[in-house]
Amino acid sequence: EAQVTQNPRYLITVTGKKLTVTCSQNMNHEYMSWYRQDPGLGLRQIYYSMNVEVTDKGDVPEGYKVSRKEKRNFPLILESPSPNQTSLYFCASSLTRGPSYEQYFGPGTRLTVT
Amino acid sequence: QKEVEQDPGPLSVPEGAIVSLNCTYSNSAFQYFMWYRQYSRKGPELLMYTYSSGNKEDGRFTAQVDKSSKYISLFIRDSQPSDSATYLCAMEGSYIPTFGRGTSLIVHP
Repeated sequence: EAQVTQNPRYLITVTGKKLTVTCSQNMNHEYMSWYRQDPGLGLRQIYYSMNVEVTDKGDVPEGYKVSRKEKRNFPLILESPSPNQTSLYFCASSLTRGPSYEQYFGPGTRLTVT
Repeated sequence: QKEVEQDPGPLSVPEGAIVSLNCTYSNSAFQYFMWYRQYSRKGPELLMYTYSSGNKEDGRFTAQVDKSSKYISLFIRDSQPSDSATYLCAMEGSYIPTFGRGTSLIVHP
């Protein structure tokens, strides 16, 4: 089954404790991205990757890091999480970049930073 | 002012009603317009994608774009309880999509 998986689905952590949210897709997609979804603000793109070893900032990259060492995986790293990073995070992938290529979203990771 | 405005609702309608969901935008650079559906505790899924002004139909769904008014709509005919979800509009002009905050739709039997 074609899918985007994320782990963990739920995470509660404390300020400053480094964490990684994993994302994996099995569709051989080149383009992957991370979004956060907050009430009243909608989905906002954090980082995206055009292909292996090619990443770039989205609209809200501050406080986040990403890496793309393999085509299928695109982890999101919070080196020193803060309470304002409490949010619902989605990973997405598509064949390549561009609005005509459907983005497939993962199920989401709900992160709470206390 | 946000680039994309979307009323969060909730919008509650009886089964079988025609639903109209709308977004307005301010950025003239937006050229691509999408509608996503998001069920509770799930990721968004693409419903429809349009490029030009005018209408695009897919089954019970019709997407309408009016670039001159900077206004897009999604119509759902013969709405079903299974259509109950949050509907997100999204727009793109320079490869980074801008999403509306979503409209919650409830279709009651």
